[in-house]
Amino acid sequence: GENVEQHPSTLSVQEGDSAVIKCTYSDSASNYFPWYKQELGKGPQLIIDIRSNVGEKKDQRIAVTLNKTAKHFSLHITETQPEDSAVYFCAANTLGGGADGLTFGKGTHLIIQP
Amino acid sequence: NAGVMQNPRHLVRRRGQEARLRCSPMKGHSHVYWYRQLPEEGLKFMVYLQKENIIDESGMPKERFSAEFPKEGPSILRIQQVVRGDSAAYFCASSPQSYEQYFGPGTRLLVL
Repeated sequence: GENVEQHPSTLSVQEGDSAVIKCTYSDSASNYFPWYKQELGKGPQLIIDIRSNVGEKKDQRIAVTLNKTAKHFSLHITETQPEDSAVYFCAANTLGGGADGLTFGKGTHLIIQP
Repeated sequence: NAGVMQNPRHLVRRRGQEARLRCSPMKGHSHVYWYRQLPEEGLKFMVYLQKENIIDESGMPKERFSAEFPKEGPSILRIQQVVRGDSAAYFCASSPQSYEQYFGPGTRLLVL
């Protein structure tokens, strides 16, 4: 089955700086890669996703890149703000493969220092 | 459009009791997924259901756990004879098709 590795487990950046979180996956059949933000006591919130037919996707201060050959994808947050502090999870699955449960990484605690 | 709803938000059970967790998907969504999250861990897939059908239960423990998504009403995750190791946050997600999954606020289960 799929295995997703995520790092770093904790990331502290100064407000205004950029943050990058990286994930690798093992199953070359995976074709859908969402990112979720989870605040304390809440459910995960989908913030951006990418399919394997594109290499990059951007939404305001958030971007995701995908390298299918190397089987890794990354989340980039620019101009970080205090409200970006949360736990971020990457995930992967194979759409249309019959089993559509997401496989998650273990999460990154992002801390924005004022 | 209301989001995914889960209840109860917190549930306390003693060992050996039953736990019933409910999930109402977003309007128009016919796909429901259940995940379990242990402290400081990522979410682990348990089961994927469509109306009246279990599509994939590969992540569900073989004993004591069951799930349903009836034609009418919410999806139910049922845990019989709970043990302390069942203490976790259980999240439900819904999707309009087999694509983006939107999560509910979760049910925090504590087994005493």
